[in-house]
Amino acid sequence: GAGVSQSPSNKVTEKGKDVELRCDPISGHTALYWYRQSLGQGLEFLIYFQGNSAPDKSGLPSDRFSAERTGGSVSTLTIQRTQQEDSAVYLCASSLDWLKNEQFFGPGTRLTVL
Amino acid sequence: GENVEQHPSTLSVQEGDSAVIKCTYSDSASNYFPWYKQELGKRPQLIIDIRSNVGEKKDQRIAVTLNKTAKHFSLHITETQPEDSAVYFCAAENTGFQKLVFGTGTRLLVSP
Repeated sequence: GAGVSQSPSNKVTEKGKDVELRCDPISGHTALYWYRQSLGQGLEFLIYFQGNSAPDKSGLPSDRFSAERTGGSVSTLTIQRTQQEDSAVYLCASSLDWLKNEQFFGPGTRLTVL
Repeated sequence: GENVEQHPSTLSVQEGDSAVIKCTYSDSASNYFPWYKQELGKRPQLIIDIRSNVGEKKDQRIAVTLNKTAKHFSLHITETQPEDSAVYFCAAENTGFQKLVFGTGTRLLVSP
């Protein structure tokens, strides 16, 4: 079946602009996660959703970052007034539910802020 | 919060040798420990995981061991092959918080 998909695959933007990144989880997966991976670095947790609610927003780097999930499916990560340090690969993952730990990752969105 | 340290950052082995990657974690309540493999330009993929109620798990050439007392876990790859070359990430999670904390990764290079 279809895996986790993300769009766009690449995004180049100018400093100060807003961007929206989209994640389509595996059908039926209720848990959804956003991570950030800077070049050559590990995965930094940003936020997780169980259904449409986000019990843990502790990883969001600043108030310029926000995320929402509607209908228990698609999620969007929005970065306002982008800065050069926001350049990274943004990865989305989903899991069946909060008890089924295995997370399946999407291909990521490579964001470049000029 | 949880903190995961991973060593070494890079590891070079000859084909056929074994490779061991080690991780330590700080939160004694963590109970789930997966390992992900990320090939260049690809997404991370789960290769093996272990829960805190077992000490070892094997799947063909890969195995993971967990020492809860010492709060460390290790990935063992035997008979390495060039296609094992990738970055490997360990992670730890307290299921109650549903938040994977990743190590910084180990770049494994297997030379023919």
